[in-house]
Amino acid sequence: AQSVTQPDIHITVSEGASLELRCNYSYGATPYLFWYVQSPGQGLQLLLKYFSGDTLVQGIKGFEAEFKRSQSSFNLRKPSVHWSDAAEYFCASGTSSNTGKLIFGQGTTLQVKP
Amino acid sequence: NAGVMQNPRHLVRRRGQEARLRCSPMKGHSHVYWYRQLPEEGLKFMVYLQKENIIDESGMPKERFSAEFPKEGPSILRIQQVVRGDSAAYFCASSPSGVGETQYFGPGTRLLVL
Repeated sequence: AQSVTQPDIHITVSEGASLELRCNYSYGATPYLFWYVQSPGQGLQLLLKYFSGDTLVQGIKGFEAEFKRSQSSFNLRKPSVHWSDAAEYFCASGTSSNTGKLIFGQGTTLQVKP
Repeated sequence: NAGVMQNPRHLVRRRGQEARLRCSPMKGHSHVYWYRQLPEEGLKFMVYLQKENIIDESGMPKERFSAEFPKEGPSILRIQQVVRGDSAAYFCASSPSGVGETQYFGPGTRLLVL
């Protein structure tokens, strides 16, 4: 069955430090992959997406992610974290073999230290 | 261009009452997805609808839950005889078509069952 794993439940980084949030998917074919961000009490905002083509994708707010088929990963990165990046981050995947529903990871809560 | 609208944003019900959650998709979007987020968990797919059709309800509980997306008006997620375990955030997402399209999320409805 298709699944998405975010190994890190909580991550704390200092403001200005680099960030990498991990995401692994489990599916035989190439999935569609997304990263969403959720601030407390809010909905989900799309950061970036990968459908095909260039494996390094750029998103909003200075985020990028790299699709690595050999590692079944789609890690999210940011070179310099800002205090406003503190939020919960969700990785999600969809495939062409299902109806388009997304499978979400458990989420990673990012805390930013001043 | 208004985003996905959900109302109410917060809903309090007593056990045994009915809860009705509404979702108006983005303009031009005819595909609606409902997801549920339990406390401290990621989002779980519930149901996928197009106008007047349920496409995939594989994530819906077998009893008490139903969804519709009529020709006119918003999509409705209905929970009958609510129980405490139904307390969660319910998110609606819409897309212009189904598979392979980005889903845009609403702000969610936080349901609390007393």
